Amino acid sequence: GQNIDQPTEMTATEGAIVQINCTYQTSGFNGLFWYQQHAGEAPTFLSYNVLDGLEEKGRFSSFLSRSKGYSYLLLKELQMKDSASYLCAPRTDSWGKLQFGAGTQVVVTP
Amino acid sequence: NAGVTQTPKFRILKIGQSMTLQCAQDMNHNYMYWYRQDPGMGLKLIYYSVGAGITDKGEVPNGYNVSRSTTEDFPLRLELAAPSQTSVYFCASSYSPLDGEKLFFGSGTQLSVL
Repeated sequence: GQNIDQPTEMTATEGAIVQINCTYQTSGFNGLFWYQQHAGEAPTFLSYNVLDGLEEKGRFSSFLSRSKGYSYLLLKELQMKDSASYLCAPRTDSWGKLQFGAGTQVVVTP
Repeated sequence: NAGVTQTPKFRILKIGQSMTLQCAQDMNHNYMYWYRQDPGMGLKLIYYSVGAGITDKGEVPNGYNVSRSTTEDFPLRLELAAPSQTSVYFCASSYSPLDGEKLFFGSGTQLSVL
């Protein structure tokens, strides 16, 4: 199956910036999703990248390098409500199968 | 719009019992997925479907079965429940993840097997 690597946990203070890296196998790659999941809730969509480069959406940005099999999610001006797990999901199957990484738990401290 | 509806929200099973987790979507999505999430872990794909009558295994299909007789419904069957199946189960659907369309998730089913 797909080998998706993300750090397990990251801690940062309110107002700071945190970058969550994700590496994946490049074979068959066709795009990458980022989802946010608060404890006890379902995941919610954050971003989708299919071309190289940075996509900015307010305080959240996502970057993709297809040749390197690498993506990151950048969270700026951290707020307490950003404490959540962030899941990387590269699409490497032309038939619709979608697998998620183990998630990165971000803890925002006052 | 109801979106993705999962039932039940909570269930306790005894070892060896069977049950079906229901999932229905009203968005006319072709793609549907079942994931499980163990405490503190990420989502593991159990089964998925790309349309009515078409299903395929994910990463962790053992102990589960699915069917997709209609576009709307994608039930997940546990035949002989085991403690290892204690988890939170999420159903999701998408119009077309191949085009970057996001997944819509149900609210989850918390299952305990004792």
